[in-house]
This record gives sequence, structure tokens and C-alpha cells, in this order.
Amino acid sequence: NAGVTQTPKFQVLKTGQSMTLQCAQDMNHEYMSWYRQDPGMGLRLIHYSVGAGITDQGEVPNGYNVSRSTTEDFPLRLLSAAPSQTSVYFCASGRNTGELFFGEGSRLTVL
Amino acid sequence: QQQVKQSPQSLIVQKGGISIINCAYENTAFDYFPWYQQFPGKGPALLIAIRPDVSEKKEGRFTISFNKSAKQFSLHIMDSQPGDSATYFCAASWVSGNTPLVFGKGTRLSVIA
Repeated sequence: NAGVTQTPKFQVLKTGQSMTLQCAQDMNHEYMSWYRQDPGMGLRLIHYSVGAGITDQGEVPNGYNVSRSTTEDFPLRLLSAAPSQTSVYFCASGRNTGELFFGEGSRLTVL
Repeated sequence: QQQVKQSPQSLIVQKGGISIINCAYENTAFDYFPWYQQFPGKGPALLIAIRPDVSEKKEGRFTISFNKSAKQFSLHIMDSQPGDSATYFCAASWVSGNTPLVFGKGTRLSVIA
């Protein structure tokens, strides 16, 4: 049972480039979400989804886009990368919005 | 608006001692209060959680104390061990309202021998 799988684990981008962070879960969870973690800032919610075809914005959505075409997958797209988006990104899923299972994280550096 | 305030930012405890981390929340609609544990290079993992209809929940050496009137809850780690050294996050959500989890800023715990 793989749980929540994030790819890539590490990525370096140049300012202005775009990329997609992939997230897949095999637990048939309806709820999925993306957080970013920065030193001293805790975990801040970017976007979330309560089911396929439904997405909503979190606390820090600017510069990011998501879609949820299947229950299993919830990709996060960076439209035009900026140095301020240098962070560790975590995808999480759950049967409800409280009890979450997190992936191992994707470490992104924007130069 | 920070909905969940966590303190302290960092904590050093002697092996065998009690570690205490505190959190305060503002939204009275919250109905689920979990604590997550994160080791370096890993994702957070659910440690223990409580609902507001009880004042305390204990799982092994970990206890959540919940004070609904004060809108506060805390994590107590009894007989702290070096293996407990990690970052701990409190969080809150309104699960029945399908609202996302809101996290505190975290506490870095170091247990020294």
C-alpha cells in the first residue's frame, strides 16, 4: 500500500518556468490538499479538493493551479515560478478534512 | 488571521521529563483537534486527536488536554525520549462542515539525555 505518492522529490527551476508537482493516493480518499512548509510559517494551505471535479482555494493560492479529474490524482501546477515559491510542498489526503495522510514532500528551489 | 496559535516555538526537555505544547484557537465551529508529528525530511504524521466532547485523551505516553471554554488544547508527552525529538503541529478543523485543517506554526522539540 503506497499511501500518498509525490513526484518529483526535488526540483530546481528558473524564474518564469512552469512545472507540475504530481500527487497520487491509493486509499480511495475523497479529500485531498496541498500545503507548503516554510521555516517558522508552519503548514499553509494552497488548494484543496473534497472530491473529483471540485477544488477550492486555501490560504496562499496565488501562483498555483489545481485540477481533480480523478479521485486518485491531484496535481499542483506552478504557472510562472518565482523565488518566493521556493518551499517544501506536501500533498495530503483523507476520508475527511481532519485525519490526513501526508506524502514525503517535494522540495522546490526557484532561482 | 491566525486561527490556531501554538507555543512555544522550540522546547528542550531532559530525557524522562514531561514535554508540554500549547495551542489556542478562535473558531468555535472547530470540531476536530489533531496533533501531527514530523521528523526531518518526512511528511507530518497524525499522532493523536480529540473531539470537543471530551476533556482528555490518552494514547500511551501522549495525552491531549482540551479546555473548550478557554478555547485551548495542549499536548503532554510523558517520560520524553530522544526518539520523540521532532516538530509537533497542532491543528483544527470543522470536519462536519468539510473545512480544511488549519495548522499552528509548529514546535521543535529536542529531548536530550
